Order: sequence, then C-alpha cells, then structure tokens
Amino acid sequence: RKEVEQDPGPFNVPEGATVAFNCTYSNSASQSFFWYRQDCRKEPKLLMSVYSSGNEDGRFTAQLNRASQYISLLIRDSKLSDSATYLCVVPNSGYSTLTFGKGTMLLVSP
Amino acid sequence: EAGVTQSPTHLIKTRGQQATLRCSPISGHTSVYWYQQALGLGLQFLLWYDEGEERNRGNFPPRFSGRQFPNYSSELNVNALELEDSALDLCASGAPRPQDYNEQFFGPGTRLTVL
Repeated sequence: RKEVEQDPGPFNVPEGATVAFNCTYSNSASQSFFWYRQDCRKEPKLLMSVYSSGNEDGRFTAQLNRASQYISLLIRDSKLSDSATYLCVVPNSGYSTLTFGKGTMLLVSP
Repeated sequence: EAGVTQSPTHLIKTRGQQATLRCSPISGHTSVYWYQQALGLGLQFLLWYDEGEERNRGNFPPRFSGRQFPNYSSELNVNALELEDSALDLCASGAPRPQDYNEQFFGPGTRLTVL
C-alpha cells in the first residue's frame, strides 16, 4: 500500500450535493491526520485536523477508521467555492514530517 | 497575526545557476518545513529545520540545502539548477516542539522556473 493514497478525481457535483472522499494510509502508527484544501496555483490551507474517530466543522465532516486505515472527508451542501483539490495528510512516526496525498479534485457546478 | 511569508513570489533562473528562497514563519513558531510541488505531482518533503538545526531531509540530492537563522526565518538554496527543479516551492511553519500534533501552515510559495 502506498503511504497515502487518494482518488485523483475529478469529482463533478452540482451545487447543494453531498460528496465524500476517501484516503488510505499505510502507517498504522499514525495518530493524527489532516485535510488540506489547495486552490489552483495556491498554497495548501489547513481545513480540518482529525485526532480521534472524527471531527465536524459546519458542512465538513472528517472520519477516521483506524482498523481499515482510511480517512474520509464529507462535504454537505456543496458550494461553488468548494471547488479545489483536497489533500489528505498523514504524519510520519514521531510527527516530524507530513506525507501528503496527491489530492482529490472537486468541481462544483451551478 | 501575520502568516508565513515567502520571497520572492517568482524566480526565473537558467540551468546551472543557483537559487535562494526565503521564508519567515508565524511568530512563535520555531519549525520551518520546505516542500516542492512540481507540476502534476504532490507535495514532496524537502527539509525540516527546528531551533536552527536541520532535523530531517527528504529524498532530494545534496544540491538542495538550507539553513535557519536565530529569528527562525529560513533559506532554501538550490545549486546547479536543472530544468526539473521548476516547481512551486512551499514553506510551512509549525509550533515549537515538543508537541502532540503537527499542524503546519503554509506560505504562498515561490514559483521557481528554470530555463
């Protein structure tokens, strides 16, 4: 299994739709995980941190399944402004560095 | 609170030249991380500095080097530039260690173009 693996997409959804992305990771010792959002030609911005089984922030819900080693990101009521690439991020042992997935592209259309 | 700053925003060099990129972390952060994002590729970890010391480096050749200054700002130096070094070079800062979790906050990046 690759260190961090994501479906590259793109996921094309209409406004108002619910969309979910999955991410699998190989390091079973990882304790915390992150979702970053990256707009085209911009820097990644931290969207959510996941320290236990999950986290919810408004329309965004992240869930962690340690047994299966995957993290999911659910976006409800999609907005045009949600169009971006979503990066799944897993710390290496000791939290010294992060491994980034290649990202899943989301395109929300009117 | 000011975020992570990087300079220059764009840098154009020719093959064989040397490039110097700069980063200032968020106030209070002591760790600086450098990443490279080449077109179509994910973020690749380059270097990690904390408290003035190089703590870890990614799978990049020695011509990628850097340093961290007493004020925690950092430089990334790339010698003998090659065409494939063209990329968005990103700097991120993190809170002082020890820490339980490793949230990193990115600067806007330097777009390096090698001709």
